[in-house]
Amino acid sequence: GAGVSQSPSNKVTEKGKDVELRCDPISGHTALYWYRQSLGQGLEFLIYFQGNSAPDKSGLPSDRFSAERTGGSVSTLTIQRTQQEDSAVYLCASSRFAAGELFFGEGSRLTVL
Amino acid sequence: AQSVTQLDSQVPVFEEAPVELRCNYSSSVSVYLFWYVQYPNQGLQLLLKYLSGSTLVKGINGFEAEFNKSQTSFHLRKPSVHISDTAEYFCAVITQGGSEKLVFGKGTKLTVNP
Repeated sequence: GAGVSQSPSNKVTEKGKDVELRCDPISGHTALYWYRQSLGQGLEFLIYFQGNSAPDKSGLPSDRFSAERTGGSVSTLTIQRTQQEDSAVYLCASSRFAAGELFFGEGSRLTVL
Repeated sequence: AQSVTQLDSQVPVFEEAPVELRCNYSSSVSVYLFWYVQYPNQGLQLLLKYLSGSTLVKGINGFEAEFNKSQTSFHLRKPSVHISDTAEYFCAVITQGGSEKLVFGKGTKLTVNP
């Protein structure tokens, strides 16, 4: 596709359920990021994939959060046993190389009831 | 680890007034610096970036920023703002070497009033 695609665009779930958020980056982009955007908190870094290097997971807030990137392309962010504080917009971005311009998806809005 | 501080969470200004949005970073090594903008109900887009060379960087929509290494700052400026500049502005930094992840500040909401 022409841009970064994220799905679902909206997800409402009950506390304690697991959710999966998908990101399809721009073809050929080696760098892929996940961020969480909450009101007043800006963009919180979650995880960064760069090529075949080990991902930088330093931003994941707890062991309930995990992410993988298959074949250097599509990425899935998984949140297990969701909590109300997980409610936020989850943004995915990709770039052609490290320090390149990031192209953002529209985000997945997660609401945990 | 690098960090970014945007000193003002909200900046209200009148149309045609100048504006400066402040950004300071902390890093023990060289950095790349960015400003991104998020217009209401839209995704983020790159406004400008500093990678090397001239410390004064010009971006889209008449914005510019100056990299000041001694003050570890990268303030964003525009001499005359328009209503359409109302948006949230995010400063971001990548530390050269290491994982080179892009870390954002908490954002500054610029509101331009008529």
